[in-house]
Amino acid sequence: EVQLVESGGGLVKPGGSLRLSCAASGFTFSSYDMNWVRQAPGKGLEWVSSISSSSHYIYYADSVKGRFTISRDNAKNSLYLQMNSLRAEDTAVYYCAREGQGASYYRDWGQGTLVTVSS
Amino acid sequence: DIVLTQSPDSLAVSLGERATLNCKSSQSVLYSSSNKNYLAWYQQKPGQPPKLLIYWASTRESGVPDRFSGSGSGTDFTLTISSLQAEDVAVYYCQQYYSLWTFGQGTKVEIK
Repeated sequence: EVQLVESGGGLVKPGGSLRLSCAASGFTFSSYDMNWVRQAPGKGLEWVSSISSSSHYIYYADSVKGRFTISRDNAKNSLYLQMNSLRAEDTAVYYCAREGQGASYYRDWGQGTLVTVSS
Repeated sequence: DIVLTQSPDSLAVSLGERATLNCKSSQSVLYSSSNKNYLAWYQQKPGQPPKLLIYWASTRESGVPDRFSGSGSGTDFTLTISSLQAEDVAVYYCQQYYSLWTFGQGTKVEIK
């Protein structure tokens, strides 16, 4: 059974930093591209960042470019999101999502971790 | 960037009746060499992550009831729930994966 478990969320002040983690199990992590998607309270879904299986290709939404860094450790079956210079508008539930094999829709999602940026 | 616009924003349908949700893309998401539309549909219930329902615009994910169907091509797509059940109350999102990723704003489905 595929499992994606996010952690690292919490309350942080504007301008602060936070590192999210996503622990993966139940599949060959190193074979799949992975993504972060966020959802502000009461709002819709927003794609944040994507990383290919070998970390060769990395993409960011314009809203986080230059502030967030996605990475992965295939030996630890883990995905990360380093978030710097956080703003109030970054407040959201952050989900990690696994792409389908050979296709970029999201077959599996974690339960999410809440990040709150507030003074 | 590709923009997806869903309509309506909300929809109230009687149990057993048909629900029709629309998703319009600002540019075609049909990849000509494969003749595939890079469009997916997700269902999200309160307090839960999204769940994949449909990919390639019309391929139903394993385990998804056959009352859910997807159609359309190019820039105009539809998710149809043929006979609405109580457990289908949720927000539904379309997503394009043709050029990076974007989601529509969602359609909330309720019982009339």
